[in-house]
Amino acid sequence: SQQGEEDPQALSIQEGENATMNCSYKTSINNLQWYRQNSGRGLVHLILIRSNEREKHSGRLRVTLDTSKKSSSLLITASRAADTASYFCATVSSGNTPLVFGKGTRLSVIA
Amino acid sequence: GAGVSQSPSNKVTEKGKDVELRCDPISGHTALYWYRQRLGQGLEFLIYFQGNSAPDKSGLPSDRFSAERTGESVSTLTIQRTQQEDSAVYLCASSGVGLAGGGTQYFGPGTRLLVL
Repeated sequence: SQQGEEDPQALSIQEGENATMNCSYKTSINNLQWYRQNSGRGLVHLILIRSNEREKHSGRLRVTLDTSKKSSSLLITASRAADTASYFCATVSSGNTPLVFGKGTRLSVIA
Repeated sequence: GAGVSQSPSNKVTEKGKDVELRCDPISGHTALYWYRQRLGQGLEFLIYFQGNSAPDKSGLPSDRFSAERTGESVSTLTIQRTQQEDSAVYLCASSGVGLAGGGTQYFGPGTRLLVL
């Protein structure tokens, strides 16, 4: 069963604007990861945030984590048409157990 | 180095036939994962290998699904007597570091299966 739920399901913005996607989860986690998927194929890892971290940056990406609310957000600043993709959050509970994915947010960036 | 590869990239089969999907993980990655993704949906976990053993098969949807891994390398996912509901993209991923230790998964491009 899926744990993470992304919100919104779809998002359409103009190039240059910021995009914010949210993820909520249900159980305690070790870390939370965001992935991007182009054209329904393989996923690419974007960023990982550990349960003891509150915010993390990587280039134009900013991730926050609120373990008390069991939620995370992914902010993409100064979006580009190439950012058009589906974005998934995935949680890790322990060890090598598999990632638990949400259904994703479909982001469209219009040039 | 080479990433995760999967074959075939596309497979069309008739209902009732068996199919075999292959995954070649990144060399040296001990953990290997299979996921299924139906159109417009998130990823469903199927099975996970640590080395050649499968500690977690909880995601396999029925006894028509099986998987094996040999030599801590290649894995095959077999679907017997395929049904139309099996149509999906099957994704394989590998990781070299435990996910709880901050490791991440590297995904292959997937096999798109269509059962007619």
